[in-house]
Amino acid sequence: GESVGLHLPTLSVQEGDNSIINCAYSNSASDYFIWYKQESGKGPQFIIDIRSNMDKRQGQRVTVLLNKTVKHLSLQIAATQPGDSAVYFCAENWRGSTLGRLYFGRGTQLTVWP
Amino acid sequence: GAVVSQHPSRVICKSGTSVKIECRSLDFQATTMFWYRQFPKQSLMLMATSNEGSKATYEQGVEKDKFLINHASLTLSTLTVTSAHPEDSSFYICSAESITTNEKLFFGSGTQLSVL
Repeated sequence: GESVGLHLPTLSVQEGDNSIINCAYSNSASDYFIWYKQESGKGPQFIIDIRSNMDKRQGQRVTVLLNKTVKHLSLQIAATQPGDSAVYFCAENWRGSTLGRLYFGRGTQLTVWP
Repeated sequence: GAVVSQHPSRVICKSGTSVKIECRSLDFQATTMFWYRQFPKQSLMLMATSNEGSKATYEQGVEKDKFLINHASLTLSTLTVTSAHPEDSSFYICSAESITTNEKLFFGSGTQLSVL
């Protein structure tokens, strides 16, 4: 299940289950969103992105859903594997801002149990 | 594929000294690079936008005299933490925006700074 406290929110799932990671973004003027995976001691790794003119985008085993009405983003990982264990961040890019100027969400620690 | 190289990956220094971190884009040119800071168990916080040939743009609350940024070429940006103190200990990450590849944004592997 998912827990949120003073530290990084955590999500624990069993291998093979689907994972859903949620993110609330702050700026209604944001028009581009990216999900990143970060393993300990490493830089962020791109997973999937979505523009504000879309509600859903699918990749390999991953789906991103965007709800602009409530400024909410989710990442769905199908058939989660132990190698998916990492911290996941959503990042938003403000309209008119250069692409790389990103504001990151809080992050969720995903732990996959065999 | 395109890579952003950060050096050093880990540095330990004494309080009061200055530390320089390099961010290089390999195999592509980047007019714009970005510097982030990440404390343990926290998110990445954008510090500044580094523009080749011009002054960096700092985010609100980031001291420009403390964190000196130089972007002298299309493949290199440096971040210098001046007069480092223990509270500057953090994971520093750069990213580069490509103008020469289809994929546009790449992150470095980060630099762990520990100030004693």
